[in-house]
Amino acid sequence: EVQLVESGGGLVQPGGSLRLSCAASGFNFSNYWMSWVRQAPGKGLEGVANLKEDGSEKYYVDSVKGRFTISRDNAKNALYLQMNSLRVDDTAVYYCARDGDRGFEYWGQGILVTVSS
Amino acid sequence: SFELTQPPSVSVSPGQTARITCSGDALPKTYTYWYQQKPGQPPLLIIFKDIERPSGIPERFSGSSSGTTVTLTISGVQAEDEADYYCQSADSSGTLFGGGTKLTVL
Repeated sequence: EVQLVESGGGLVQPGGSLRLSCAASGFNFSNYWMSWVRQAPGKGLEGVANLKEDGSEKYYVDSVKGRFTISRDNAKNALYLQMNSLRVDDTAVYYCARDGDRGFEYWGQGILVTVSS
Repeated sequence: SFELTQPPSVSVSPGQTARITCSGDALPKTYTYWYQQKPGQPPLLIIFKDIERPSGIPERFSGSSSGTTVTLTISGVQAEDEADYYCQSADSSGTLFGGGTKLTVL
C-alpha cells in the first residue's frame, strides 16, 4: 500500500523557517517524480515544487523561488521542503504527492503550516 | 505559464448530469487530470490523461477533450459527489491547477 506521511509543520513567525518532510512507503520511491502541493485556507490547490527521480530537475512556482528548496533522499525514501523567509501568505496545508503518468495518483494527508506573528 | 479556467460553481439535482469545464490555451498540447476533494480530505485522482479513469472510480465519472477545453462529466449525480473539483495540467514551468469548481447537489 502506498503511503505518504508529512511532518514538520506548525506555527512560525514571518521571516522564519521550517523544513517539511514526507516519508514514502509502498512503492519504489526512486522511480518517481515527487511534488509539494499547498492549499491556503478556503482556497484552491497550488503546485509549489516538484523534483525529478534523481534530483537533477526541479521546478518551483514563482512565488516561492529563492525561498523554498525541494530535495529528496532516495536511500531514506524521503522528500523534503526547506522553507525560508516565510510570509503570511505561505500559510496553507502542504501536501506531498507522487507524480507520474497518471498525475498525482497518491497524496499524503497534508500538514498545516501557519505563518503568523 | 498558461492558465486553467474553471467555473466557480455548478449545481445539479440528483440523477442529473453535471459537466465541469476547464479551459486553457495550452490544453491541446498537454494532458489534463481531474481531482475530487471533499472537506478535510486530500484530493482524489478521478481522471488522468484527459479521459482515463483509475480503478475504483465509478463509471459515472468521465472525461473528454475538445480543442482548448476539457470537460469532466458526472452522469447520474449522487449526493456523495458533492465536492470541489480541480483540473490540473503541466508545462515546462511545472504544475498548474485550475481554480476549482464547487459541485452542489441540490
